[in-house]
Amino acid sequence: GQQLNQSPQSMFIQEGEDVSMNCTSSSIFNTWLWYKQDPGEGPVLLIALYKAGELTSNGRLTAQFGITRKDSFLNISASIPSDVGIYFCAGHPILTGGGNKLTFGTGTQLKVEL
Amino acid sequence: KAGVTQTPRYLIKTRGQQVTLSCSPISGHRSVSWYQQTPGQGLQFLFEYFSETQRNKGNFPGRFSGRQFSNSRSEMNVSTLELGDSALYLCASSPGEGLETQYFGPGTRLLVL
Repeated sequence: GQQLNQSPQSMFIQEGEDVSMNCTSSSIFNTWLWYKQDPGEGPVLLIALYKAGELTSNGRLTAQFGITRKDSFLNISASIPSDVGIYFCAGHPILTGGGNKLTFGTGTQLKVEL
Repeated sequence: KAGVTQTPRYLIKTRGQQVTLSCSPISGHRSVSWYQQTPGQGLQFLFEYFSETQRNKGNFPGRFSGRQFSNSRSEMNVSTLELGDSALYLCASSPGEGLETQYFGPGTRLLVL
């Protein structure tokens, strides 16, 4: 099945550093969502974006819906140990044809060094 | 509100058996979607149910099926299990009005031996 291109695949950073990850697609998306998944658990929603150009923050997290509707980025400022986990982008492709079918990125594994 | 619940959390089956997984959505949500997560393929959409009808379907064989009840609870069934069906099966719910944010349950970890 289709997956979004997400980069980087993994990151190992120092506590307090800022983090940036992005997601790209060859096709247009109607929505972009960012989730975080801890081991053995389901993804937890972080930020939802619904309009091209939209910039939304949730605490130390900021995400943007790309103008072309083919990409999105997520920034985490001043990372802390509990930021460790796998981050997924997801979205509704324009050709979903109705319904609620999400396409997911390949994930970015974030590790934070104290 | 209580979140999405899935039962069981863990399951071990052998090849050829069948399995049924259950999902209870967030109260008031009418759409339930199922996803399969594996290390090799990532998160793949299985199907979506809305008002007891399948509204969307992913690219999985017919061995994978589901249904939704009048209270929006959903079950998915996998028949004739194969080793490659070992995965984390995730259920997500949303109100059902359109292209909405989905909220995920903790998943059912299925191991096929």
